[in-house]
Amino acid sequence: AQSVTQLGSHVSVSEGALVLLRCNYSSSVPPYLFWYVQYPNQGLQLLLKYTTGATLVKGINGFEAEFKKSETSFHLTKPSAHMSDAAEYFCAVRPVGARGSTLGRLYFGRGTQLTVWP
Amino acid sequence: NAGVTQTPKFQVLKTGQSMTLQCAQDMNHEYMSWYRQDPGMGLRLIHYSVGAGITDQGEVPNGYNVSRSTTEDFPLRLLSAAPSQTSVYFCASSPGTGAPNEKLFFGSGTQLSVL
Repeated sequence: AQSVTQLGSHVSVSEGALVLLRCNYSSSVPPYLFWYVQYPNQGLQLLLKYTTGATLVKGINGFEAEFKKSETSFHLTKPSAHMSDAAEYFCAVRPVGARGSTLGRLYFGRGTQLTVWP
Repeated sequence: NAGVTQTPKFQVLKTGQSMTLQCAQDMNHEYMSWYRQDPGMGLRLIHYSVGAGITDQGEVPNGYNVSRSTTEDFPLRLLSAAPSQTSVYFCASSPGTGAPNEKLFFGSGTQLSVL
């Protein structure tokens, strides 16, 4: 069974500070990995994803994440927080089975609420 | 640019009532899905479809039915509403398989309260 763990349900940073949101997964086969962002009263938007290839992935709004297979992690970072980054962030995984894919089964973490202080 | 459209945005039901949450996408996406979002629980997959006529269960399918008669529409039916189904429901679609297509497009959500 897939499992996604986001460490810290709430993270607070000052404007201009580093943002680090943690995500670990449990899977015998490296899955596809995603970060989504949800602004208040909206649906989710894709920030970035890792499927294959380069393990450092750059996304929108200056965010990036690094897939570390040995640590089963996919932490999200941004060098300098902006007030507009305040939102809820979700890590998600999609299993990739031996026979190709299991399209449809996207598993989400419980989310991390990011607060940015002026 | 309609994208994924969900209706209604808000709904209040009494226990035992039935209703259908509507979802339509105009992007010709093969894949559609329904999630529910509860505080502290993230999003949990209810049902999904990989194409017209094909549906499958997700993590929390009990109490919900779906059908996919067309590529565009993927309605979610609550057969007999229960207070435990109070939640925010999101419909999402994706072009299909393959790394470039691995992206969900979300609707704006339906906030459902069951009294």
